[in-house]
Amino acid sequence: GENVEQHPSTLSVQEGDSAVIKCTYSDSASNYFPWYKQELGKRPQLIIDIRSNVGEKKDQRIAVTLNKTAKHFSLHITETQPEDSAVYFCAAGDDYKLSFGAGTTVTVRA
Amino acid sequence: NAGVTQTPKFRVLKTGQSMTLLCAQDMNHEYMYWYRQDPGMGLRLIHYSVGEGTTAKGEVPDGYNVSRLKKQNFLLGLESAAPSQTSVYFCASSLSSGAYEQYFGPGTRLTVT
Repeated sequence: GENVEQHPSTLSVQEGDSAVIKCTYSDSASNYFPWYKQELGKRPQLIIDIRSNVGEKKDQRIAVTLNKTAKHFSLHITETQPEDSAVYFCAAGDDYKLSFGAGTTVTVRA
Repeated sequence: NAGVTQTPKFRVLKTGQSMTLLCAQDMNHEYMYWYRQDPGMGLRLIHYSVGEGTTAKGEVPDGYNVSRLKKQNFLLGLESAAPSQTSVYFCASSLSSGAYEQYFGPGTRLTVT
């Protein structure tokens, strides 16, 4: 099955700086790559996703890039704000199911 | 429109007891999922369903059973609970494929003593 590795496991950034989280996947059949944000005690919520026919996608301060050849994808958050502090999960999947990375705890220092 | 709901929110079981977690969605989604979330391990798929009357095993299915008798409901059963099943359980649903946004429920925190 699919194996998703996520790095780093923790990330501390100064407010206003950028944050980058990287993920690799193993199954070349995966065609969907979402990113979820989970605040403490809350449910995961989708923040951005990308499909295998697209190399990059941006939504305001958040961007995701995908390199299918190398089987890795990344999340970029620019101009970080305190409300960006949360756990972020990457995932990779096909038409039926997703496999999630272990998560990155992002702390934005004021 | 409540989205995805889960009952109960919290539960404490003794080893060997059984219980059923209920997930309900009112978005007419075809696909539904059960995950468990443990510290440092992300979300791991237990079982999933691609439509009413169908179920399939995920990454960690042992010790769990599921049923999808109605499109809007997905039940997760523990026949004989073990301490290793202490976890937070999330249900999710998606419109018509795994390659669409999954909407998560609020979670059920289960402790097995």
